[in-house]
Amino acid sequence: RKEVEQDPGPFNVPEGATVAFNCTYSNSASQSFFWYRQDCRKEPKLLMSVYSSGNEDGRFTAQLNRASQYISLLIRDSKLSDSATYLCVVNQVGNTGKLIFGQGTTLQVKP
Amino acid sequence: DAGVTQSPTHLIKTRGQHVTLRCSPISGHKSVSWYQQVLGQGPQFIFQYYEKEERGRGNFPDRFSARQFPNYSSELNVNALLLGDSALYLCASSLEGQAHQPQHFGDGTRLSIL
Repeated sequence: RKEVEQDPGPFNVPEGATVAFNCTYSNSASQSFFWYRQDCRKEPKLLMSVYSSGNEDGRFTAQLNRASQYISLLIRDSKLSDSATYLCVVNQVGNTGKLIFGQGTTLQVKP
Repeated sequence: DAGVTQSPTHLIKTRGQHVTLRCSPISGHKSVSWYQQVLGQGPQFIFQYYEKEERGRGNFPDRFSARQFPNYSSELNVNALLLGDSALYLCASSLEGQAHQPQHFGDGTRLSIL
């Protein structure tokens, strides 16, 4: 079983749609969680950290469910510029900088 | 302010050669991590360095090595290159490499092995 699992998609949605991505992680002791965005042939860029209380940044909302070991990302009012691969990321247990990435979920927003 | 910078941007090598990739972290960041990303997959952790000491190592063979310099820049070395080493190599920096501190990535070095 992979440490971080995501549905690779692709998700094809029209502009203005709401889309949700899910991610599960295997190590219940994991403590830090992130969503990164990666455009084609570019580097990953931090989209947002994910906290137990949930957090929102504009059109983006991230949720963490520790009991189910489940992380989600909700994008409202999708824009063409949201088209990218979204990477679910978990930090290795212990206070280290090892990031464990999911495979990524590809989003294509169409006009 | 400059972000994480990596060099070279592209590199073509043949099997059996060796390669050195370079990374300069964001100013003030003391931790550097290296990742390998093959097409269609998420990045895989190779090494983390903090204050010139190796803090973590991923599941990569001994052909992969790295070091960090007093100015916090870093090099990744790969010996005896194999076709399977073709990938995007990413460097990321963070303040102190702690779990809660976000990591910021450079543009990467795209390595192709012929």
